[in-house]
Amino acid sequence: GESVGLHLPTLSVQEGDNSIINCAYSNSASDYFIWYKQESGKGPQFIIDIRSNMDKRQGQRVTVLLNKTVKHLSLQIAATQPGDSAVYFCAENENDYKLSFGAGTTVTVRA
Amino acid sequence: KAGVTQTPRYLIKTRGQQVTLSCSPISGHRSVSWYQQTPGQGLQFLFEYFSETQRNKGNFPGRFSGRQFSNSRSEMNVSTLELGDSALYLCASSRTTGGTGDEQFFGPGTRLTVL
Repeated sequence: GESVGLHLPTLSVQEGDNSIINCAYSNSASDYFIWYKQESGKGPQFIIDIRSNMDKRQGQRVTVLLNKTVKHLSLQIAATQPGDSAVYFCAENENDYKLSFGAGTTVTVRA
Repeated sequence: KAGVTQTPRYLIKTRGQQVTLSCSPISGHRSVSWYQQTPGQGLQFLFEYFSETQRNKGNFPGRFSGRQFSNSRSEMNVSTLELGDSALYLCASSRTTGGTGDEQFFGPGTRLTVL
């Protein structure tokens, strides 16, 4: 089956720097993508989403970029803070009722 | 308002036993999805329910089953437990469906350990 995957399993970033987390997807029929953040001992938490008719969407300190040509999704976090340390997952909709998740990237923020 | 709650939070079972996990969605949410999370496989979709009907199912054996009640609360059951069933089981709720832009809210999960 088709799946969503992340390029790197881990990312270490200096506090205050910008972070970029990448994700490659293979299902060209997917039209909705989401980024989640999961902290230790908690369930995933919605960060930002984007539909396939857009290529960029901004939130508070976060930006999601979608490149449908190469099936690539990225999450940019501005001015990374210690509280941003977590596992980040991208997800795509296989259909209206099902989300497929990538393997996750563990982000560690260095003080 | 209260978030998604899951009970129990931790569970230890032995091989061959069966287990039932419970999920209470956010008030007003009618869609409940279940996921299995393991270090090796990540988040894997189990099934999704809406108004007591299963609308989609992932690639899991028949030992994994679920149901939803009229108040939208959901349970999942795993029979004849295997060591590989050890995982964090996550429940997520949304108003209608999680695949079309309706945000899914996740519970804290139930950590199942099979010995």
